[in-house]
Amino acid sequence: KNEVEQSPQNLTAQEGEFITINCSYSVGISALHWLQQHPGGGIVSLFMLSSGKKKHGRLIATINIQEKHSSLHITASHPRDSAVYICAVRKNNAGNMLTFGGGTRLMVKP
Amino acid sequence: EAGVAQSPRYKIIEKRQSVAFWCNPISGHATLYWYQQILGQGPKLLIQFQNNGVVDDSQLPKDRFSAERLKGVDSTLKIQPAKLEDSAVYLCASSLARGAYEQYFGPGTRLTVT
Repeated sequence: KNEVEQSPQNLTAQEGEFITINCSYSVGISALHWLQQHPGGGIVSLFMLSSGKKKHGRLIATINIQEKHSSLHITASHPRDSAVYICAVRKNNAGNMLTFGGGTRLMVKP
Repeated sequence: EAGVAQSPRYKIIEKRQSVAFWCNPISGHATLYWYQQILGQGPKLLIQFQNNGVVDDSQLPKDRFSAERLKGVDSTLKIQPAKLEDSAVYLCASSLARGAYEQYFGPGTRLTVT
């Protein structure tokens, strides 16, 4: 079983819909990252969380340390949000090494 | 601030050939990472450098993969000889240091081995 699991693996939404992507992990962590990867490979860091909630524009990320769970929400989704969203955790005592989930492929249709 | 630079962006080679990738991290970033991302999977760490020293290369297939960061700035990753299963995107990332610092990723090099 992977230490970081994401769901769903694939998601198709209509423009304007509210989207939720989930990440569960089974190890102790010091931080959790949400990353966005567009076709072509480049990865952009969206959030780094260790507790609570962060918001940036239409993106909201939450984390529940006790439940070992995080969610990424996109409000008023747009076709340009189409990308792969990756959850990654920094395990305790692992320095700055990241353990990645398998990603959620999101397609937002106009 | 310039981001992490990688070249080439795309490479197609035949199996058993050699290939090298180059990465220039963000200026001042001491820590550099090479990841391998196979299609449909999350990135897998191959090697981590702190300045010019290797911190972790436990997942680097050392019989065919090598990496160096001689002057503690830019880095090269080499595959010799390549296998079909090496087809992937090779991502370079850098961070200020080894602690709780954010990693910044380059655009990646997409390798196809035929």
